[in-house]
Amino acid sequence: QVQLVQSGAEVKKPGASVKVSCKASGYIFVDYYMHWVRQAPGQGLEWMGIINPSGGSTTYAQKFQDRVTMTRDTSTSTVSMELSSLRSDDTAVYYCARDPTLVGAGNYLFDYWGQGTLVTVSS
Amino acid sequence: QSALTQPRSVSGSPGQSVTISCTGTSSDVGGYKYVSWYQQHPGKAPKVIIYDASKRPSGVPDRFSGSKSGNTASLTISGLQAEDEAAYYCCSYAGSYTLIFGGGTKLTVL
Repeated sequence: QVQLVQSGAEVKKPGASVKVSCKASGYIFVDYYMHWVRQAPGQGLEWMGIINPSGGSTTYAQKFQDRVTMTRDTSTSTVSMELSSLRSDDTAVYYCARDPTLVGAGNYLFDYWGQGTLVTVSS
Repeated sequence: QSALTQPRSVSGSPGQSVTISCTGTSSDVGGYKYVSWYQQHPGKAPKVIIYDASKRPSGVPDRFSGSKSGNTASLTISGLQAEDEAAYYCCSYAGSYTLIFGGGTKLTVL
């Protein structure tokens, strides 16, 4: 069965960086895009970016262009998202979410989600 | 890029139908058929209920339906049940491998 297992909660100080990982299992890792989505406390969902695990190409939301880096490790079927220059308003639950576009099972949707990783930014 | 526009809240009684709108622009909702809808219960990860504007994943009840006209997509939930009380989010492809979410709608089942 498909599983996306994310790394644990983090507490960071303003200005620091955080790296969240997402280990995939139960499917062919390189056949599905992966996205990162975040949700601040009590707020809505916000799309951060996409990575193609096959070649590693990425596209980021303009808002995060200068601060986010998404990478993948095909040997461990893991994608990671690093956000730098953290601010208090980066406090949120960060989700990885699988996208089946490449296998023709729908277009630009999120069919499986990780359990979420709470990142708290506080001095 | 601003979030897609959804009503903050909607409500309905059990058995009734409700419709949630999601308005964007010709650069996102109006330009592509790639609108998806997600249901999120408190403390849980979102779950896809509609994709490609009107398709339903297996396992999603046919009480949930989606449509799109111009720059507006809609989610209709018929035969409301207590378990449908949740937050609902639309999401649209916006070109060049980018996506955008709506602000979310809280559905209350009276």
